[in-house]
Amino acid sequence: LAKTTQPISMDSYEGQEVNITCSHNNIATNDYITWYQQFPSQGPRFIIQGYKTKVTNEVASLFIPADRKSSTLSLPRVSLSDTAVYYCLVGAFYSSASKIIFGSGTRLSIRP
Amino acid sequence: GAVVSQHPSWVICKSGTSVKIECRSLDFQATTMFWYRQFPKQSLMLMATSNEGSKATYEQGVEKDKFLINHASLTLSTLTVTSAHPEDSSFYICSARGARTDNSPLHFGNGTRLTVT
Repeated sequence: LAKTTQPISMDSYEGQEVNITCSHNNIATNDYITWYQQFPSQGPRFIIQGYKTKVTNEVASLFIPADRKSSTLSLPRVSLSDTAVYYCLVGAFYSSASKIIFGSGTRLSIRP
Repeated sequence: GAVVSQHPSWVICKSGTSVKIECRSLDFQATTMFWYRQFPKQSLMLMATSNEGSKATYEQGVEKDKFLINHASLTLSTLTVTSAHPEDSSFYICSARGARTDNSPLHFGNGTRLTVT
């Protein structure tokens, strides 16, 4: 499973757009990029997944450059409830040989 | 969407006793389940991977005789912490993967807070 690197923490304010970047230089051809959100004392919650270019859903966008060695999670107009830890995972999740390893994650704090 | 249920959500036990945590996939068949442990302010650490009908594969440093994993059916895996000690107090989380060949994302249980007194 490709190792990922994210900023340890980020701060922002309500209403702002927040972009969290993840580096995954060793990503393999079959690997997908998935982002999860975790609140204290809860399991990780799926946010968005992509393979290349841009993916958008109702809560976030995911930008993946052509070389796929990094990805950026974009949260539009954050609110206090977006304060959480965000994890970037890279892997071929359908593969029975693929273990799901978490990196350190990014602790996002949103202020009023 | 796929739902993974964990039970109990929290448990307190005395040192030396054993505790069982259940992880169920509610609307799909989970051929593989993952068990994680998370200490405060830290990331999730993979403990073991269990495939239905076979023995679990433990990560380095995880005692298989202490953390017993059973994956006897396609919808249920259990983690038993045997002879628990205060240092086993942690947040335990499971995740399940189905037999689909597409790249559906993993879904996680809501975790179990174990406190050993």
